[in-house]
Amino acid sequence: GESVGLHLPTLSVQEGDNSIINCAYSNSASDYFIWYKQESGKGPQFIIDIRSNMDKRQGQRVTVLLNKTVKHLSLQIAATQPGDSAVYFCAENSDRGGKLIFGQGTELSVKP
Amino acid sequence: GAVVSQHPSRVICKSGTSVKIECRSLDFQATTMFWYRQFPKQSLMLMATSNEGSKATYEQGVEKDKFLINHASLTLSTLTVTSAHPEDSSFYICSARVGTRYQETQYFGPGTRLLVL
Repeated sequence: GESVGLHLPTLSVQEGDNSIINCAYSNSASDYFIWYKQESGKGPQFIIDIRSNMDKRQGQRVTVLLNKTVKHLSLQIAATQPGDSAVYFCAENSDRGGKLIFGQGTELSVKP
Repeated sequence: GAVVSQHPSRVICKSGTSVKIECRSLDFQATTMFWYRQFPKQSLMLMATSNEGSKATYEQGVEKDKFLINHASLTLSTLTVTSAHPEDSSFYICSARVGTRYQETQYFGPGTRLLVL
């Protein structure tokens, strides 16, 4: 299940299940969104991106959905694997200078 | 994808000393690099935008005299934490922007763990 508290929100799933990680972004003018995966002690790793003129984009085992009406972004991971365990961040870009604003992150834990 | 490196990966220093962290784009040129700070179990907080050949742009609340940024070439940006104190202990991450306006993906370095004693 998913929980929110003083620490990072966590999502625990069983290996092989699908995972859905949600993100609410703040700026209605944002036109570019990115999902990053961060493993412990490492820098964020690019997963997938989407522009505001799209509402869905698929990659390998991942799908990003964008709902501009409610300013919501989600990342779906199919057939989740133990190697998917990490913290996932959404980021939005509304600035011509390229600045990204990061969401709070969700910690995904995959149980074998 | 584009590769960004950071050096050192980990540094321990005494309070009052200065520490320099390097960020390099290995297989591309980056006119813009960004510096972030991340505390445990928290998100990345943008500190400053580093533009090649010009002064860095700092985010509100970030002391420019304490966190000196130099972007002397298209592949190198440095962050110097001057007179470091224990509260500066954190994970510092740089990123480099690649692409055009509509594909402004940022690729991140592996981070530098700073511990100030």
